[in-house]
Amino acid sequence: QSVLTQPPSASGTPGQRVTISCSGGSSNIGSNTVNWYQQLPGTAPKLLIYTNNQRPSGVPDRFSGSKSGTSASLAISGLQSEDEADYYCAARDDILSAWVFGGGTKLTVL
Amino acid sequence: QVQLQQWGAGQLKPSETLSLTCAIYGEFFSGYFWSWVRQSPGKGLEWIAEINHSGTTNCLPSLKSRVTMSVDTSKKQVSLELRSVSAADTAVYYCTNLWVDWGQGTLVTVSS
Repeated sequence: QSVLTQPPSASGTPGQRVTISCSGGSSNIGSNTVNWYQQLPGTAPKLLIYTNNQRPSGVPDRFSGSKSGTSASLAISGLQSEDEADYYCAARDDILSAWVFGGGTKLTVL
Repeated sequence: QVQLQQWGAGQLKPSETLSLTCAIYGEFFSGYFWSWVRQSPGKGLEWIAEINHSGTTNCLPSLKSRVTMSVDTSKKQVSLELRSVSAADTAVYYCTNLWVDWGQGTLVTVSS
């Protein structure tokens, strides 16, 4: 069972806006920033969002992140077929002195 | 641009020791903590441990008794040892700074 909680699946049609939630606690999301990763099948994870809402160079602005209290969200607008992937949130946990991940959300583009 | 190259034994028997090394090519070796993250087949990501250039380490508490991380600053390499492996340790292991730089992954299978 993961420290951070994500829905196991999400779906949308091309062009739609989809959001993925990530719920934690006061020792992780409540105290630290959140990263989001995208993982395509058979590949290493790719950083999508860092420090709650910042995009690395090259990540389309269709991807956005937000954080409020002990929860965070990833939003994908203008959904495209190539967005079909697994998405993970992560944050530092001050009690564990460790990074913790969400269980991952499998996004299906219908 | 940082490139990571990782290697280590891919097949282990129960009770053996997993040993992986990651070479970091490029700048900013000293600017990051370098982590190992694993992914069991069909499962999610699990952070294992991290180390920086001065040897400061942090480790997931549940694995702490079996994990040793080390760093060789002259070679810009970090290494992971996981002792007494079992089938539950079967996974793809990634070296990463948890930002844009990830290794290619090493599949480690534990089976008798």
